[in-house]
Amino acid sequence: GAVVSQHPSRVICKSGTSVKIECRSLDFQATTMFWYRQFPKQSLMLMATSNEGSKATYEQGVEKDKFLINHASLTLSTLTVTSAHPEDSSFYICSAAKNIQYFGAGTRLSVL
Amino acid sequence: AQSVTQPDIHITVSEGASLELRCNYSYGATPYLFWYVQSPGQGLQLLLKYFSGDTLVQGIKGFEAEFKRSQSSFNLRKPSVHWSDAAEYFCAVGGALDFGNEKLTFGTGTRLTIIP
Repeated sequence: GAVVSQHPSRVICKSGTSVKIECRSLDFQATTMFWYRQFPKQSLMLMATSNEGSKATYEQGVEKDKFLINHASLTLSTLTVTSAHPEDSSFYICSAAKNIQYFGAGTRLSVL
Repeated sequence: AQSVTQPDIHITVSEGASLELRCNYSYGATPYLFWYVQSPGQGLQLLLKYFSGDTLVQGIKGFEAEFKRSQSSFNLRKPSVHWSDAAEYFCAVGGALDFGNEKLTFGTGTRLTIIP
């Protein structure tokens, strides 16, 4: 089956620092990857669509300078939360598309 | 704009009993419909999907769902739940233009609790 690896699974950082989250499709190539944010006991909210070799498409209300997305290859997309603040604490989930979306296990970000 | 409604925030079912989770969608074109399951602190696992054809689709773990266009519904069912089915269930709708590679819109989820 299609496997998506997301790393790290959990990260704790100080306010003002930047955090990078990686999303890899392990056994398939994905021209499109998606980044979601999930607040406790809530649904997944799409943040951006990442396309290999081009700029990401951000959803309305998502700060592109705050959440930097790079899709450098057909198997890797990264999300960098820049100058993180406590309100950025959340569960971030990526998916890679191969006809359907396959999801990573998520990253729990806690900003102190 | 597309949307998904899951009317039940939380459902409690006895182990061995049948289950139905409701999902209604709004989409302007031919929808792709999905059910995902999420265990605490984990990502999402696909249970089943509907693209076209037979409106009753079978998925993993004994789940099935029925697409009813006239009711804009895609309810998830299981004849006999197991304690391991306790999780959060999300219904999602996506576009058919790019054969499933388009973004998904998720419902708010239904938390399933299983009691002995």
